Amino acid sequence: AQSVTQLDSQVPVFEEAPVELRCNYSSSVSVYLFWYVQYPNQGLQLLLKYLSGSTLVESINGFEAEFNKSQTSFHLRKPSVHISDTAEYFCAVSLNYGGSQGNLIFGKGTKLSVKP
Amino acid sequence: DAGVTQSPTHLIKTRGQQVTLRCSPKSGHDTVSWYQQALGQGPQFIFQYYEEEERQRGNFPDRFSGHQFPNYSSELNVNALLLGDSALYLCASSSREGYGYTFGSGTRLTVV
Repeated sequence: AQSVTQLDSQVPVFEEAPVELRCNYSSSVSVYLFWYVQYPNQGLQLLLKYLSGSTLVESINGFEAEFNKSQTSFHLRKPSVHISDTAEYFCAVSLNYGGSQGNLIFGKGTKLSVKP
Repeated sequence: DAGVTQSPTHLIKTRGQQVTLRCSPKSGHDTVSWYQQALGQGPQFIFQYYEEEERQRGNFPDRFSGHQFPNYSSELNVNALLLGDSALYLCASSSREGYGYTFGSGTRLTVV
């Protein structure tokens, strides 16, 4: 069975500081990897995804994540955070069924709190 | 281009009642999945519909059922509501030919 572990439930950080949100997964088969962000009282928004190719993926708002197959990790990083980045972040995997995607399996989430 | 639309946004029901939640997928998407997000938890997969049939199911009891219509919209039905069914219910749509899911804003169900 597949599982996702987000190692930190809460991450407080000051504005303009760097941040890393950690994610490890367990799977015996090939997976796709995702990071979603959830603002208060809203649904999930896709931040970035790894399907294949370059192991470093980037989002349009400065986040990046690196797929590390040997460590089964997909940590999310941002070199300088803003107050507006305050939200809950979810790491997720889906099985790779020979090119088709399975359902998403989520971690429990990490609440990022950016303070002035 | 409209994204995923869910209705209603909030709902309060009494234990033992039945509830129906609705979802319209993003334009161009033909697959609808439902997730339950309990307070402080990550979303959990309930089931997925494609071509009006349930294709995958998570670890949820038969009290949870669904339907997909020819226009790809979907309903989630929950019977005999329990207090533990209180959660945010998220609908996600996708395309068989693409990757990634688009989520709606969810329906907040409170069972009292």
